[in-house]
Amino acid sequence: KAGVTQTPRYLIKTRGQQVTLSCSPISGHRSVSWYQQTPGQGLQFLFEYFSETQRNKGNFPGRFSGRQFSNSRSEMNVSTLELGDSALYLCASSSVAGQGDNEQFFGPGTRLTVL
Amino acid sequence: GQQVMQIPQYQHVQEGEDFTTYCNSSTTLSNIQWYKQRPGGHPVFLIQLVKSGEVKKQKRLTFQFGEAKKNSSLHITATQTTDVGTYFCWGGGSNYKLTFGKGTLLTVNP
Repeated sequence: KAGVTQTPRYLIKTRGQQVTLSCSPISGHRSVSWYQQTPGQGLQFLFEYFSETQRNKGNFPGRFSGRQFSNSRSEMNVSTLELGDSALYLCASSSVAGQGDNEQFFGPGTRLTVL
Repeated sequence: GQQVMQIPQYQHVQEGEDFTTYCNSSTTLSNIQWYKQRPGGHPVFLIQLVKSGEVKKQKRLTFQFGEAKKNSSLHITATQTTDVGTYFCWGGGSNYKLTFGKGTLLTVNP
């Protein structure tokens, strides 16, 4: 079974731009969660989607948004990029909803650099 | 909100020494999961603990969940260079505002 895939793997943007990241979960998994990882803050939860609905949301500003499609693929969008948005963005899939109750399978991440 | 604290932040050991990382929550957890992230890699699931006082072993790794379900520990016996990485705990709470601890970075000197 193929693992979680994320595209692109690396991205360089400038302040003020927007970016869209993509995540394809493991086949059959309907829950997708997004995390931001930085050296200073560790892993921080952004949001979780299940069956095209956002189920949970972390404490991030509205510039961070996401969506999930009927095939469970998910995208996250960050608008008006700031320098502090530079991070590794990880996507994780799970077979059922309610992240934290089930094993999560992480993708390799997208390394975003904002200049 | 729910806070999960993990200590220590860093740990350097000589190969063969033991290692322990601790995870403490301000609220009762429904379960706790442990993940390992190798340098340059992504987190990989190690184990999930659900029951109060639960202890699970995976070869040289021993995982414990506290009686009050507010803390957990991961102990590695006789570390090897392959154990290098960051170990994260993940606390499941009733409100689903779940958090990872910031992790413990383990380095092993051969």
